[in-house]
Amino acid sequence: DVKVTQSSRYLVKRTGEKVFLECVQDMDHENMFWYRQDPGLGLRLIYFSYDVKMKEKGDIPEGYSVSREKKERFSLILESASTNQTSMYLCASSPWTGDDKNIQYFGAGTRLSVL
Amino acid sequence: SQQGEEDPQALSIQEGENATMNCSYKTSINNLQWYRQNSGRGLVHLILIRSNEREKHSGRLRVTLDTSKKSSSLLITASRAADTASYFCATASTNAGKSTFGDGTTLTVKP
Repeated sequence: DVKVTQSSRYLVKRTGEKVFLECVQDMDHENMFWYRQDPGLGLRLIYFSYDVKMKEKGDIPEGYSVSREKKERFSLILESASTNQTSMYLCASSPWTGDDKNIQYFGAGTRLSVL
Repeated sequence: SQQGEEDPQALSIQEGENATMNCSYKTSINNLQWYRQNSGRGLVHLILIRSNEREKHSGRLRVTLDTSKKSSSLLITASRAADTASYFCATASTNAGKSTFGDGTTLTVKP
């Protein structure tokens, strides 16, 4: 089974803190994604990575950066957390080729509260 | 930008009834996927239907795709209380790996 692990289920941070959300997948997938999910707004893509050190902005990249130094790990960074970044953050991965292409495997999510 | 829109936003049925959720999208697609999300958890992939397919089955799930109307439906037959969850459609327009998710339908199945 594909496993996507997010480092924290719940996180509470203060305004202005630098926040790291970590995601690790164990299926050698090329693609990795970070989404945020808010009530009534569905899933919105923050950043997408299709290979090590490669990244592409999603729909709402402002206030976020990402790092992909190793294939299995994709980190989301909030440089200076703000209260409007309080949300559920979901990481996902998918393979680049094969029948599973486009099927995304999700982690359990990190619920971040910024006070 | 949100490509898929689910309808209805919320659906409440009795155990044993069928549940139908619809997804409409705007641009041409390569494939469409349906996912399920239990409260407070990540999404789980249910089924993928390609643009050249019209219908697909998996257990109690039946998915249809009408590319001329740019719409898809997910039917869950003989629903159970454990089917209570949010259901999302996601569309892939290219082979590049990204998909665009809709806002979801929240299904409640009452025992």
